[in-house]
Amino acid sequence: DTAVSQTPKYLVTQMGNDKSIKCEQNLGHDTMYWYKQDSKKFLKIMFSYNNKELIINETVPNRFSPKSPDKAHLNLHINSLELGDSAVYFCASSHGGREYHGYTFGSGTRLTVV
Amino acid sequence: KQEVTQIPAALSVPEGENLVLNCSFTDSAIYNLQWFRQDPGKGLTSLLLIQSSQREQTSGRLNASLDKSSGRSTLYIAASQPGDSATYLCAVKDSNYQLIWGAGTKLIIKP
Repeated sequence: DTAVSQTPKYLVTQMGNDKSIKCEQNLGHDTMYWYKQDSKKFLKIMFSYNNKELIINETVPNRFSPKSPDKAHLNLHINSLELGDSAVYFCASSHGGREYHGYTFGSGTRLTVV
Repeated sequence: KQEVTQIPAALSVPEGENLVLNCSFTDSAIYNLQWFRQDPGKGLTSLLLIQSSQREQTSGRLNASLDKSSGRSTLYIAASQPGDSATYLCAVKDSNYQLIWGAGTKLIIKP
């Protein structure tokens, strides 16, 4: 009964490959997010989806593409992986636009590009 | 532009002590502030959520306060335990509904 679940938990892959990370939430939230946590532990917003519409894209390379088949899922697809993509990626969800709601995070996916 | 700062960056205290972690933000126009905990190699766990209209929230040994006018929040941990060792992050939801993060405080509780 995990609220926000991400798979896989760990991902090791070679440069140039294409990979996907999946995220699902069962909280009934209408907005989902992808964050990247770099080696210095800073969390940076990458995308958010609200009712299947992309509402934030913070200068992320177009090799990264979020895909949301429905309100409960937001998957992250990465093309032509580069060494600099190595990081921990977190999925989160909330009731977007509702000021009194907080965020719930998944446990993260540690991506290592070799 | 909203900026969130956490002081100290790291803190090491003996078990049993009460301690305070600080979070400051530059723009008081926030909807809420959330404290998270991150254990090494693991995800983010929400600890407390304080709405902009609230002054404090409590959960067990944790108490978070918010002074929006001065741009400050504190997380008070009573009777600290080794299991409290983790990185504590604060984040504010700004007027654009975006989550702005501090860099975190790494807490070590020594047995």
